[in-house]
Amino acid sequence: DTGVSQNPRHKITKRGQNVTFRCDPISEHNRLYWYRQTLGQGPEFLTYFQNEAQLEKSRLLSDRFSAERPKGSFSTLEIQRTEQGDSAMYLCASSGGQGGYTEAFFGQGTRLTVV
Amino acid sequence: AQKVTQAQTEISVVEKEDVTLDCVYETRDTTYYLFWYKQPPSGELVFLIRRNSFDEQNEISGRYSWNFQKSTSSFNFTITASQVVDSAVYFCALSEARRGAQKLVFGQGTRLTINP
Repeated sequence: DTGVSQNPRHKITKRGQNVTFRCDPISEHNRLYWYRQTLGQGPEFLTYFQNEAQLEKSRLLSDRFSAERPKGSFSTLEIQRTEQGDSAMYLCASSGGQGGYTEAFFGQGTRLTVV
Repeated sequence: AQKVTQAQTEISVVEKEDVTLDCVYETRDTTYYLFWYKQPPSGELVFLIRRNSFDEQNEISGRYSWNFQKSTSSFNFTITASQVVDSAVYFCALSEARRGAQKLVFGQGTRLTINP
């Protein structure tokens, strides 16, 4: 396992379409995070899972956004009825294991362009 | 609320110069963590360092060093003898010390360009 994997790397979609992104975390990590990064800005926290439980959601995550982590392994982030303002880089990160505090490892992101 | 400010939007230096990236943070928590991440053009955020709020010792790792001053709420990052490969966007981040979880608050980033 070489790190956090995100697919696809790039997605271009028409406004109003639905899109789904996938994140495969580092295998032993039980925590998974989604962030959004717009051009020229730092990443912003969207949501966080511990195993399969979604423990926190940012107010940035509107009703059109939904994230899942069935079975506590990979995660998906779906955006319904996309808008141009959704264009951004969506970053996934994971962190480990058995209590304590470990740094988050990030994937390379999915760049979404809504046209 | 937590906030991280990186006042330097862009820095450009010539190779072998030393460069310092500034980071100032705000938090009401007494216990927190501070981080620096590097984002090369490939987009992946690369972890550089984590610092616990109780540990104000400066740290050096090769050409990298970090100066944490709780009195001024600053966590500055210095690259000594910069190299072209150091060119990237650098982010400072803060998280509360919630057990095991990392909800990171990032600054806006500093784009560092090292010219040959």
